[in-house]
Amino acid sequence: KQEVTQIPAALSVPEGENLVLNCSFTDSAIYNLQWFRQDPGKGLTSLLLIQSSQREQTSGRLNASLDKSSGRSTLYIAASQPGDSATYLCAVSGTGNQFYFGTGTSLTVIP
Amino acid sequence: NAGVTQTPKFQVLKTGQSMTLQCAQDMNHNSMYWYRQDPGMGLRLIYYSASEGTTDKGEVPNGYNVSRLNKREFSLRLESAAPSQTSVYFCASEAHRAETQYFGPGTRLLVL
Repeated sequence: KQEVTQIPAALSVPEGENLVLNCSFTDSAIYNLQWFRQDPGKGLTSLLLIQSSQREQTSGRLNASLDKSSGRSTLYIAASQPGDSATYLCAVSGTGNQFYFGTGTSLTVIP
Repeated sequence: NAGVTQTPKFQVLKTGQSMTLQCAQDMNHNSMYWYRQDPGMGLRLIYYSASEGTTDKGEVPNGYNVSRLNKREFSLRLESAAPSQTSVYFCASEAHRAETQYFGPGTRLLVL
């Protein structure tokens, strides 16, 4: 069974800092990997989707990379802002329709 | 365009009671999913429907049933609720395999 781990569980940074969130998975036979954002008491919002054949995706200040062979992905957030404070989740899908989620990294950006 | 909607937002049940969680999407998506989110466990897939008329078990299907009523609607039923089913339930939809998933706002369920 696919296991997805996110480290650290919580992160606090001053505004303006660049930061990296990590995601690792045990089975490299994935279909795609998605990064989501979840605000307290809310649903998930998709940030970036990387197909298994891709190495990275970018959207604004966000950049996600994928190294399938080593079972790792990173989400890079440039010039962090207080509005970036949220929990960030990664999820991987395999050859079936199963999606496996990490437990998330709770990010606090301090003004 | 409301996206993915879920009802109710919050529900309290007694052990043994039944209820149905409703989910609807207006994006003409083919696939729909039900997840539960528990502290320290992440989201876990309960059931999914790859297309209208089909449903399949996910990682934690015990104690639940689903119905894909039509392309828009996918309901989750708890026949006899147990305290272990206290959780936040999310519905999601996806246009095609390997595309972005869109999530509803969630239903918070407390089973006493």
